[in-house]
This record gives sequence, C-alpha cells and structure tokens, in this order.
Amino acid sequence: IAGITQAPTSQILAAGRRMTLRCTQDMRHNAMYWYRQDLGLGLRLIHYSNTAGTTGKGEVPDGYSVSRANTDDFPLTLASAVPSQTSVYFCASSDYDRGLPAFFGQGTRLTVV
Amino acid sequence: DAKTTQPTSMDCAEGRAANLPCNHSTISGNEYVYWYRQIHSQGPQYIIHGLKNNETNEMASLIITEDRKSSTLILPHATLRDTAVYYCIVPSNFGNEKLTFGTGTRLTIIP
Repeated sequence: IAGITQAPTSQILAAGRRMTLRCTQDMRHNAMYWYRQDLGLGLRLIHYSNTAGTTGKGEVPDGYSVSRANTDDFPLTLASAVPSQTSVYFCASSDYDRGLPAFFGQGTRLTVV
Repeated sequence: DAKTTQPTSMDCAEGRAANLPCNHSTISGNEYVYWYRQIHSQGPQYIIHGLKNNETNEMASLIITEDRKSSTLILPHATLRDTAVYYCIVPSNFGNEKLTFGTGTRLTIIP
C-alpha cells in the first residue's frame, strides 16, 4: 500500500534517553518533513529535507536532528529527551515541484517523563 | 512560503455549504494554493489544490480570485464529519520548501 509510515505509534520515554522516530515513504517524493503538534496548537515544522542528502531547520529544531541518507527514509532523533518534547509528531512527504500534494503519516505520540 | 491568513474559527449548519476564506496576497505567479484538513488528532489530509482556475473534486471546490491573492474552499453540503481544522498553505516551489502551516480555521458543523 503506497503511503507514508511512522513508527512507533506511541512511546513513553524516560527523560535523558535517546530516541529515534522512524518515517518511511514509498511514493518517491523528493521532500520530507517532521512536525510536532502540541495540545491546542497548530503544526510546527522541526526539520525538513528537500532531497536526499540535504536537510534544513524549521521553526523549532532545537533538541532534534535528522538525516536523509536516501529518498524513502527520514528519521528524527532526540539525542537526550526532555519533558517539553512530549508531543505528537507527524512526518510528511511531498513533491510540490511536480504539483503533488503532501501526504502525512498517522503520527507518533511521544511522552517524555 | 507565501504567508496565508485565515479566520480562527467558523460555524456552519449541517447540510449547508461551508465557505472557508484564505488570504495569500504575497503569492507568486507559479505558486499553488493547497488546502488540508486535520480531524481531531489524525494526520492532516489533503483536500484540493489549484493555481489559477477554479478546481473541484469529490471533496470540495476551490475558488481562486483572478488576482490570486485570495481563495475560498467550499464544502458544498457540510456534514458533522467535516468538523476539523482547515489549513490553507502556499508552498514555495523554488527548492526551499519549508512547508509551514499556520493555525488554520477551526470549522464546526452544527447539527
């Protein structure tokens, strides 16, 4: 089934631990994105990648890192989790250069305690 | 990305047409307007997009003004399931697509 997949669906993480959220798409989209969404707030861009091998910082990049080794995968890493990183994380991919819309994953609910 | 402005919230009666406005006065000539919605805590869902002409699909219609500085998303017969936050975005297609979302319009369909 074509689309974008995130893992895990949810996670409880102890503060100070390292965590990688996974995101994979099979649509061969050039661009991928990571967002966080806190209760009652909109989507805030953490990091993005316009093509494999390149990444960029969004609105709230501190405490997060990403890599884009290939077209399909765009993992988000929290090197040392803090409670303020408790949020729902959404991954998305798009190919706007071809006029195609973005598709979003189902989200990862992360709780840092 | 071109900045967009949307009302914070709107109500619409069930069965009526819901018209959601969006201003994007800094849009460039080859930038598309995209609409998404987010139902409860699900991932945003693509609805429709357009460049100059009006567009229609099975979900909605998109009306873009001639000067392209604003657009309106129309849900022709709103149902309770259309209650969601609706986002209008204009992503840059110059190789620097940050794809930022604003706060959107919270649409509530009233029974």
